[in-house]
Amino acid sequence: GAGVSQSPSNKVTEKGKDVELRCDPISGHTALYWYRQSLGQGLEFLIYFQGNSAPDKSGLPSDRFSAERTGGSVSTLTIQRTQQEDSAVYLCASSSGTTPYEQYFGPGTRLTVT
Amino acid sequence: KQEVTQIPAALSVPEGENLVLNCSFTDSAIYNLQWFRQDPGKGLTSLLLIQSSQREQTSGRLNASLDKSSGRSTLYIAASQPGDSATYLCAVSPASRNYQLIWGAGTKLIIKP
Repeated sequence: GAGVSQSPSNKVTEKGKDVELRCDPISGHTALYWYRQSLGQGLEFLIYFQGNSAPDKSGLPSDRFSAERTGGSVSTLTIQRTQQEDSAVYLCASSSGTTPYEQYFGPGTRLTVT
Repeated sequence: KQEVTQIPAALSVPEGENLVLNCSFTDSAIYNLQWFRQDPGKGLTSLLLIQSSQREQTSGRLNASLDKSSGRSTLYIAASQPGDSATYLCAVSPASRNYQLIWGAGTKLIIKP
């Protein structure tokens, strides 16, 4: 079946603009994750959604970052007033939400803030 | 705070060799450990997942072991091929937050033909 998809694959934006990144999880997966991978750094957890439960937002680096998941499926990560340090690859993953919580990743969105 | 370390950061070996990648973690209270592969410009591919109660998992030429008490995992690649060239990432799920992954920085592997 189809894997996790993300759009756009690349996004170049000017400093100060808002951007939206989209993730379509694997059909039937109840858990969805966002990560950030900055150049030369490891992956950083951003946010976790599980079903209708309140999301774990503990990884969001500032209040400029927000995410929502509509209808328990598609998710949008929004970055307001982008800064150059926001430049990174943003990865989305989904899992069935049950043990052993194996995560399946999308190809990522490369964000460049100029 | 859980920290994950991967050694070496980079490795270059001739085709056909067997090799071992290392991953260590500071807190043994983990739920599971996963090994991933990342190709340049691509997403992550899950290779092996070892649950905390398991000692090893095998898939084809790959074997991953877990020693939870010592905070170590190894990924063994047999008979390496140029197509194995990629960055290999290790990630652990804390027992207290088993949905979360804490990542190592990865080992960049180059297999020379």
